[in-house]
Amino acid sequence: AIRMTQSPSSLSASTGDRVTITCRASQGISSYLAWYQQKPGKAPKLLIYAASTLQSGVPSRFSGSGSGTDFTLTISCLQSEDFATYYCQQYYSYPPMYSFGQGTKLEIK
Amino acid sequence: EVQLVESGGGLVKPGGSLRLSCAASGFTFSSYSMNWVRQAPGKGLEWVSSISSSSSYIYYADSVKGRFTISRDNAKNSLYLQMNSLRAEDTAVYYCARVSYGDLDAFDIWGQGTMVTVSS
Repeated sequence: AIRMTQSPSSLSASTGDRVTITCRASQGISSYLAWYQQKPGKAPKLLIYAASTLQSGVPSRFSGSGSGTDFTLTISCLQSEDFATYYCQQYYSYPPMYSFGQGTKLEIK
Repeated sequence: EVQLVESGGGLVKPGGSLRLSCAASGFTFSSYSMNWVRQAPGKGLEWVSSISSSSSYIYYADSVKGRFTISRDNAKNSLYLQMNSLRAEDTAVYYCARVSYGDLDAFDIWGQGTMVTVSS
């Protein structure tokens, strides 16, 4: 099974900051990586797929990059509504054995 | 509006059974692969099971294989998860989620979740 490891597990930042979250796969997954945002008590929301493609309706301050085993999610100018937990997910392995990172909680400093 | 609505969660004793449902609307349900994903209290996301659009392909996480059964009824626009031999560690919010394209892709639509509590 492909294991996904995110860093950091938690992060404190201020509105207006630029933040980067890293996701590493235990083996190469090409660009088959998605990022999700989850707020307390809510379902996850798809932000980015194919490592760098922004889902429709997602603000352009979110961006993703990487391929192979190392990926990043960057939020260029934090807004109050961005404080949430972020998960990466691989969808490379077939038969489907999706796996998620453990999550990164982004908190207000 | 594209929507997924889960139901069927509740409190069940260890060893018991529960059947979750997910009602889809606003899109052609029969064209999409679907999944169940769970989240234990205070924990991260865990993929549980996948089913292809025509039910030709079904897959399970090792943690539920042999105990859970995923199914769908395209005529009723519904997805199901039959959970047997439940354990305390199955306690979680269960989400249904749509695969964006094909059998293997990101999950672009999620339901609001239904809580399953396994406790005596």
